[in-house]
Amino acid sequence: SAVISQKPSRDICQRGTSLTIQCQVDSQVTMMFWYRQQPGQSLTLIATANQGSEATYESGFVIDKFPISRPNLTFSTLTVSNMSPEDSSIYLCSVPWGLAGLSSYNEQFFGPGTRLTVL
Amino acid sequence: SQQGEEDPQALSIQEGENATMNCSYKTSINNLQWYRQNSGRGLVHLILIRSNEREKHSGRLRVTLDTSKKSSSLLITASRAADTASYFCATALTDSWGKLQFGAGTQVVVTP
Repeated sequence: SAVISQKPSRDICQRGTSLTIQCQVDSQVTMMFWYRQQPGQSLTLIATANQGSEATYESGFVIDKFPISRPNLTFSTLTVSNMSPEDSSIYLCSVPWGLAGLSSYNEQFFGPGTRLTVL
Repeated sequence: SQQGEEDPQALSIQEGENATMNCSYKTSINNLQWYRQNSGRGLVHLILIRSNEREKHSGRLRVTLDTSKKSSSLLITASRAADTASYFCATALTDSWGKLQFGAGTQVVVTP
């Protein structure tokens, strides 16, 4: 299994500012994902954080708004840029767990989430 | 767009009763997973069922999968107040490399 930590756990930010969220995993993992959960909603995948290359974004999410870094196999950051109240959400990182090299994995482990409120 | 739809959206039961929630999805999957989330915190993995499996059990949890109907159900038997949470199904599409698509979730309240 994997233990995932996120920083900060919560923050309140002003409109127009940016926040960088950190995700740390206690072991090396190939894949890392970032999800957003808007208030009262389900989770939506933002992007796949790729080690050593640019992140892969899902439809509706762009790099300028959500730049992602993945400097090594245990760490990633997600920045929420030029924030507006609509960005108020819980942001979660996750890692799938299973045999590397397979296209199917077992369960995913999620970080505790970062609760962001934009005023 | 989200892959799965869940019903009911909310469920209120008494301790000791069973809770059943359903999940439907649209395209072929590699596996389907159920997660629990307490009060907007991180997600806890409950159970995974692969596309070639029809039923799995884990403690008080029972999951079924019907790939012909593209649907799954989660049964929690003898529910406890601690089972109060939101439950999400998530599908891993074929060759998705771990990416999950989540259903809308079912909010379960178990009263003592």
